This record gives sequence, structure tokens and C-alpha cells, in this order.
Amino acid sequence: QKEVEQNSGPLSVPEGAIASLNCTYSDRGSQSFFWYRQYSGKSPELIMFIYSNGDKEDGRFTAQLNKASQYVSLLIRDSQPSDSATYLCAVRKDSNYQLIWGAGTKLIIKP
Amino acid sequence: EAGVVQSPRYKIIEKKQPVAFWCNPISGHNTLYWYRQNLGQGPELLIRYENEEAVDDSQLPKDRFSAERLKGVDSTLKIQPAELGDSAVYLCASSLDWSGRVGNEQFFGPGTRLTVL
Repeated sequence: QKEVEQNSGPLSVPEGAIASLNCTYSDRGSQSFFWYRQYSGKSPELIMFIYSNGDKEDGRFTAQLNKASQYVSLLIRDSQPSDSATYLCAVRKDSNYQLIWGAGTKLIIKP
Repeated sequence: EAGVVQSPRYKIIEKKQPVAFWCNPISGHNTLYWYRQNLGQGPELLIRYENEEAVDDSQLPKDRFSAERLKGVDSTLKIQPAELGDSAVYLCASSLDWSGRVGNEQFFGPGTRLTVL
């Protein structure tokens, strides 16, 4: 079992709809969770981080964390074609603060 | 504020040749990371520096890879000799320090795309 798992996709969502991206992790002691966006040929760019159970909203983006079920999700409202990218989930291990990365989910927003 | 700077952006070499990558982190960031990213995968940590000290190099293939961070600022990652399987994107990232506190996130440079023929 991988430490951080994501569906590789591609996930296709119509423009204006809500895109939902999911990530599960195995280390129950993890405390910090990050979502990075990576456009093709570019480097990862931090979108959001979340530390507490529940929802955290930033503009069109909402991160959701459920530590009991060991999953974290990212919702993108009013999806735009410019949101088309690969979304990487990263989990910071509580033991040594190392980031463990998922393989990413490719998101395609169709106009 | 300037971001993480890396050079070169692209490098094509033949196998068995040496190659070096350079990184300049965000000013004031004490922690520097080198990652390797293969197509369709997340970044894989190669080495982490706290100032000039390499504190986590457990995943660095030490038979052919080496790194240094002189004076605790710029860093160089070297491969000698390169193998076909080393083709990947090499990413440098930096953060304020190595802690779990809020606000201490990693920021990435543009990466170096290495192709070994």
C-alpha cells in the first residue's frame, strides 16, 4: 500500500461544475496536508494546506480533512479551463516532517 | 520576492557523462530540498539541507549522486556518471526551516529536465 494514494485520472469535469479530488493516506499520525497544482511541464505550486479536521475555504478552493477516515479532498467550485492540471496531494509525516507525495490526479475541465 | 531559481532548465547528455544542476533558494529560507520527479509520479526526495548540513540523504544514490550547499545558500546536485534511468525532472525547493509549524511550506523552482541518451 502506498503511503499517499490518489486516483490518477484523468478526471473530466464540465466548465462551471464542481471538481472533487480525493487523497487517502496511511500514516495516522500525520498532521499536515497540502494540495499542489502542477501544470504540464511546470513545477508544483502550493494551492492550499490544512491542519485541522473539517473544511478550509480559499476562494473557489475548499480543502476537506477527515483524520478519522484518513482522507483529504480538494473541491474546486466554478471550474475553469485554466484549472486543468495535475493536482498533487502531499502529507507531512509527524515523525520527521518529511513530505510524502501522491502520484497526482490529472484534472481536465471541458469548455 | 524572487522565487527559487534553478539552472539549467533543460539538459541533454549521453549516458556515462557527468551533469550538474544549480539551485538558489528563496532568500531567508534555511531548508533546501532536491527532488526527482518521473513522469506521472509525485516528487521523490533525494536530499534535504538544513543550512549547509545534509540532514536527510537516505534516498540519494550515493554511488553516482552528490550534492553540496556551500555557505548554506546555493546548492549543486551532481550525477556522475549518468545512466539512462536518471532521465527525469530535478526539482529544488526551499522552506523557512524544517518544522511542522503553520506557514512553513515548501516552494519549488522551475526544475531541470534531464534527458540521458
